Amino acid sequence: SQKIEQNSEALNIQEGKTATLTCNYTNYSPAYLQWYRQDPGRGPVFLLLIRENEKEKRKERLKVTFDTTLKQSLFHITASQPADSATYLCALDGGPSQGDSWGKLQFGAGTQVVVTP
Amino acid sequence: DADVTQTPRNRITKTGKRIMLECSQTKGHDRMYWYRQDPGLGLRLIYYSFDVKDINKGEISDGYSVSRQAQAKFSLSLESAIPNQTALYFCATSDPTGQGYNEQFFGPGTRLTVL
Repeated sequence: SQKIEQNSEALNIQEGKTATLTCNYTNYSPAYLQWYRQDPGRGPVFLLLIRENEKEKRKERLKVTFDTTLKQSLFHITASQPADSATYLCALDGGPSQGDSWGKLQFGAGTQVVVTP
Repeated sequence: DADVTQTPRNRITKTGKRIMLECSQTKGHDRMYWYRQDPGLGLRLIYYSFDVKDINKGEISDGYSVSRQAQAKFSLSLESAIPNQTALYFCATSDPTGQGYNEQFFGPGTRLTVL
């Protein structure tokens, strides 16, 4: 069965450092991989999408890589700030090849990031 | 105003009661989803609808039913609530034909407690 793994342990990091989160998957060939941010008691918010033919995508202080050979995505927050403290979820999308099921996402359980001043 | 709204935001009920959670959206998206979130398990898909006439089961549909009353409204029902349905429930929408990335837009969630 398809499995998505994110580090369940919280990542504690000092302000200004780079936080790196991993998303590993098995028995899946996603066409797209998305990252979301979730604050306590609130719904997830979309951050970035990377396609299977892209190695890296950047948005402001965020960087995502996607290695389809390793079946892994890395999510980096550079120059981290206390406001970056949240849980970050990865989500996999099989893409248009899924036909009518395209857009149905499979989510990882998320990794909590705590940035201390 | 929020694009995706959910009512109620919090609900405490007793075992055996019928509960309805409602979701409304103003984004004009055809696709809507219901998820539940439990600590350590992430978001799990209960049901999804790709248009008003389309309803599909997700990975954990047992004990739940849905109704797509209009493009903007998608309701989730628990016919006879049980304690292990205590969770945080999210509604979401998406638009694969738009200018975005087929990302999903989530509501604020409903915290349901079944005693």
